[in-house]
Amino acid sequence: KQEVTQIPAALSVPEGENLVLNCSFTDSAIYNLQWFRQDPGKGLTSLLLIQSSQREQTSGRLNASLDKSSGRSTLYIAASQPGDSATYLCAPSGNTPLVFGKGTRLSVIA
Amino acid sequence: ETGVTQTPRHLVMGMTNKKSLKCEQHLGHNAMYWYKQSAKKPLELMFVYSLEERVENNSVPSRFSPECPNSSHLFLHLHTLQPEDSALYLCASSQGAHRGRTDTQYFGPGTRLTVL
Repeated sequence: KQEVTQIPAALSVPEGENLVLNCSFTDSAIYNLQWFRQDPGKGLTSLLLIQSSQREQTSGRLNASLDKSSGRSTLYIAASQPGDSATYLCAPSGNTPLVFGKGTRLSVIA
Repeated sequence: ETGVTQTPRHLVMGMTNKKSLKCEQHLGHNAMYWYKQSAKKPLELMFVYSLEERVENNSVPSRFSPECPNSSHLFLHLHTLQPEDSALYLCASSQGAHRGRTDTQYFGPGTRLTVL
């Protein structure tokens, strides 16, 4: 059974900092991994999807890396802004559709 | 409308009521999903419908009954729920889903359900 762990559980940084969110998963037999953000009380917004054959994927200030063999993914956010404040979730997709971690709650202080 | 819509956005019901949640996607996708998000727990997949198969999470109680009349609409029928079923119920869709392989999922805003 796939288990997903996200570290840290919460993070507070001043505006402008670069930061890294970590995701680890126990079953490396995945097809892809997705990163989402969720604003309080709302649905999820897909940020990046990285295929199992890829090492990284970029979108604007976001960069996701994947090390499938070690069961790890990181989400790098450059030059953080208050609008980045949200909960960030990672979800690998393998023999069962997306399994989610509990997320990292990010607060960017102006 | 575009994207994935869900109605109602908020629902309060008693344990003896019967209600239904509705989800509609306007993205031309072939797979739809129901998720449950409880406080302080990971998002939990309840059901998946795709052109090829319906996948259930075996831990979902029978008081939750999904219905997918076509690729654009998904319902979750609720009956005799318990207070612990109070949660945010999220619908999502993707281009495809087969044996766990899923494309980018697009989520609706969710229905906040409270069971009294």
